[in-house]
Amino acid sequence: EAQVTQNPRYLITVTGKKLTVTCSQNMNHEYMSWYRQDPGLGLRQIYYSMNVEVTDKGDVPEGYKVSRKEKRNFPLILESPSPNQTSLYFCASSSKTPGPVSNQPQHFGDGTRLSIL
Amino acid sequence: SQQGEEDPQALSIQEGENATMNCSYKTSINNLQWYRQNSGRGLVHLILIRSNEREKHSGRLRVTLDTSKKSSSLLITASRAADTASYFCATDRGAGGTSYGKLTFGQGTILTVHP
Repeated sequence: EAQVTQNPRYLITVTGKKLTVTCSQNMNHEYMSWYRQDPGLGLRQIYYSMNVEVTDKGDVPEGYKVSRKEKRNFPLILESPSPNQTSLYFCASSSKTPGPVSNQPQHFGDGTRLSIL
Repeated sequence: SQQGEEDPQALSIQEGENATMNCSYKTSINNLQWYRQNSGRGLVHLILIRSNEREKHSGRLRVTLDTSKKSSSLLITASRAADTASYFCATDRGAGGTSYGKLTFGQGTILTVHP
């Protein structure tokens, strides 16, 4: 079954304790992206990757890191989490051809709810 | 301010009625997409309309795009209780086919369909 898998689904942690949210897709998609969803603000893009070893900032990248060493995986790293990063996070993937990326439907994971105390 | 903004923020209707949601954006776009999100779940793609298209249909969904007004509407006809969800529009900020990776989602419209 084609899917985007995020782990963990829920996490409660404390300020400053490094954490990684994993994202994996099995559709051989070139494009992957991370979003956070907050009440009243909708979805905001954190980082995206057009292909392996190619990443770029979205609209709200501060406090986050990403890496794209393999095509299927796109982990989101919070080196020193703070309470303002408490949010619902979504990973998404798509093909990027025929371009542009907005020409392709995004496939979303089920989300990761992070609480930073 | 956001590239895509939906209105109304919330819409409550009875089963069988039509639901119309609107999306406005600020810059030129290549495409506009609509997504649905059931409570607490990931978004699901509904329909894509290209900048050179004016209207598109998919089942009970009808999407229109007016690039001169920088707006789009999503119409759900003969709504069902199962249509209860949040609906989002998403746009890029490129023009002319450039493969920008940035996608901007609006704040969404919460649709409640009462049985």
